[in-house]
Amino acid sequence: SQQGEEDPQALSIQEGENATMNCSYKTSINNLQWYRQNSGRGLVHLILIRSNEREKHSGRLRVTLDTSKKSSSLLITASRAADTASYFCATSTDKLIFGTGTRLQVFP
Amino acid sequence: NAGVMQNPRHLVRRRGQEARLRCSPMKGHSHVYWYRQLPEEGLKFMVYLQKENIIDESGMPKERFSAEFPKEGPSILRIQQVVRGDSAAYFCASSPWGDSNQPQHFGDGTRLSIL
Repeated sequence: SQQGEEDPQALSIQEGENATMNCSYKTSINNLQWYRQNSGRGLVHLILIRSNEREKHSGRLRVTLDTSKKSSSLLITASRAADTASYFCATSTDKLIFGTGTRLQVFP
Repeated sequence: NAGVMQNPRHLVRRRGQEARLRCSPMKGHSHVYWYRQLPEEGLKFMVYLQKENIIDESGMPKERFSAEFPKEGPSILRIQQVVRGDSAAYFCASSPWGDSNQPQHFGDGTRLSIL
């Protein structure tokens, strides 16, 4: 069964606003990864957070992980139209299990 | 340094035909993963291979589907006697080691359409 569930399923914001996406999962993990997918393309790795980490930053991205609640969030600050894409969380044990994704639309 | 290359990008087959999807991993990567994606859904794991070995095929249907990653050449996902339900995007990813703490690098996928 799918491990991760993203929330919201779809998000529309204006350029400059922040976008927050949440991911919940069910079992113990080694790490949690976030990927981005532009329409018609493959996935691009954004950030990996290990199970013993609580927060991680990369440029305009901030990821948090709460293993007690089995949840993670991805924050994109100062969004741009080019951030428009689908974002997936993936939990890692011996294989990657992907969530259903959040479709982010950023309007100029 | 070329990324993960998949071909063809689009493949159309009639019911009952065979589909062969190819994946060349990034240079230096010996671990390959195949995923399937239906429209508006996330990727579902199918199979994990290391050179000449299938490590985990728990996500791959037992009938009609097979995968290989020979010593030389690309990894191949083969679907025999295709049915309409096989229509999907199939993605390949690679990594240098089979370490779950490393990201996977994805190709742009093969979109399989069954007529």
